[in-house]
Amino acid sequence: NAGVTQTPKFQVLKTGQSMTLQCAQDMNHNSMYWYRQDPGMGLRLIYYSASEGTTDKGEVPNGYNVSRLNKREFSLRLESAAPSQTSVYFCASKRVEGPENTEAFFGQGTRLTVV
Amino acid sequence: DQQVKQNSPSLSVQEGRISILNCDYTNSMFDYFLWYKKYPAEGPTFLISISSIKDKNEDGRFTVFLNKSAKHLSLHIVPSQPGDSAVYFCAASPRDNTDKLIFGTGTRLQVFP
Repeated sequence: NAGVTQTPKFQVLKTGQSMTLQCAQDMNHNSMYWYRQDPGMGLRLIYYSASEGTTDKGEVPNGYNVSRLNKREFSLRLESAAPSQTSVYFCASKRVEGPENTEAFFGQGTRLTVV
Repeated sequence: DQQVKQNSPSLSVQEGRISILNCDYTNSMFDYFLWYKKYPAEGPTFLISISSIKDKNEDGRFTVFLNKSAKHLSLHIVPSQPGDSAVYFCAASPRDNTDKLIFGTGTRLQVFP
């Protein structure tokens, strides 16, 4: 059971470079999420997607773009990386069925450093 | 503006005692609450949840209490074990958007022998 898989696990970028963080889940979940974790700030929601073809902004969307390529995959793109985007990024997914709410499952994280 | 707040960044508890982690929220639309545990270099893992129709949910050593009028929830761990040492996050989801999931800032729990 792979669950939620993120690639890469580590990345160093120079300021101004672009990159895409990949996330895939094999649990047939509807909803997918991207969070960043910073010291003292907890987990902050960047973007989320309730279903294929839809995306919504979270708490800190500036500087990021996302694509929900299909039900399995949800990618996060940094067009022009900045040192403030140095963080650990987590992807998550959740099954949502009508009014029933459930827990989200997380990937192992991507540690990104922008120099 | 932080909608989910964990005001204690750290907590230290002796093994065998009770650990109480607290969480406050500001959005009255939140109606589903969760606690996650996170070890270093790993993703968060789900611990326990509670719906706003309840005020308590128990799972083994873990109990979550919800006080809707105070917009406050707490996680009790009894008895605490060294393996419980981790960062704990509370999270909340609003009734008008069950896809949205907002996390708090986390509390680092250390359980010492």
